[in-house]
Amino acid sequence: AQSVTQPDIHITVSEGASLELRCNYSYGATPYLFWYVQSPGQGLQLLLKYFSGDTLVQGIKGFEAEFKRSQSSFNLRKPSVHWSDAAEYFCAVGAKEAGTALIFGKGTTLSVSS
Amino acid sequence: NAGVMQNPRHLVRRRGQEARLRCSPMKGHSHVYWYRQLPEEGLKFMVYLQKENIIDESGMPKERFSAEFPKEGPSILRIQQVVRGDSAAYFCASSPPTGIGEQFFGPGTRLTVL
Repeated sequence: AQSVTQPDIHITVSEGASLELRCNYSYGATPYLFWYVQSPGQGLQLLLKYFSGDTLVQGIKGFEAEFKRSQSSFNLRKPSVHWSDAAEYFCAVGAKEAGTALIFGKGTTLSVSS
Repeated sequence: NAGVMQNPRHLVRRRGQEARLRCSPMKGHSHVYWYRQLPEEGLKFMVYLQKENIIDESGMPKERFSAEFPKEGPSILRIQQVVRGDSAAYFCASSPPTGIGEQFFGPGTRLTVL
């Protein structure tokens, strides 16, 4: 079955500390992977994506993610968290072709403490 | 280039009424997707449409829900005889007809059924 698992429902990180959000996927075809961020009451903003090539991808707002095929993982990282990073983060997987539905994880809520 | 537009942003309906949600894709995008986000859940795919065609409706509830994307005008997600369980955020996404299937999301419509 195709699925995305985000094991951590809620994470609290001190401002300035590093962050890693986990994402594991199960997908029958070559996976195209995405991380989205959603602030309360808002839509989804794309942080970064992985299609092919270098397995370490850089995104907006200082985020990066590493694709590990052997572990079926695509973890999101940030070296130093800012209070404005508090939001909900979704990992998603899809296929290359346009018209393929994205499969989302249930999300990880990030709280930032001062 | 304006992003994906959805309206209304918030919609309140009483049980038994109809809800109509509208989505205008990004300019040049001919693929439209609808997703539903229930409380405490990730986004779930509902339907994928191209102009005048429903391509994949595997995620649509069998009853009361319908979608269209006419030759002219926005895509419409229609929910007839709404029930409390329909309360959710409904997101529309669009993608171009060719190339990698990255989807661009609108701000969502938050439906509340009283």
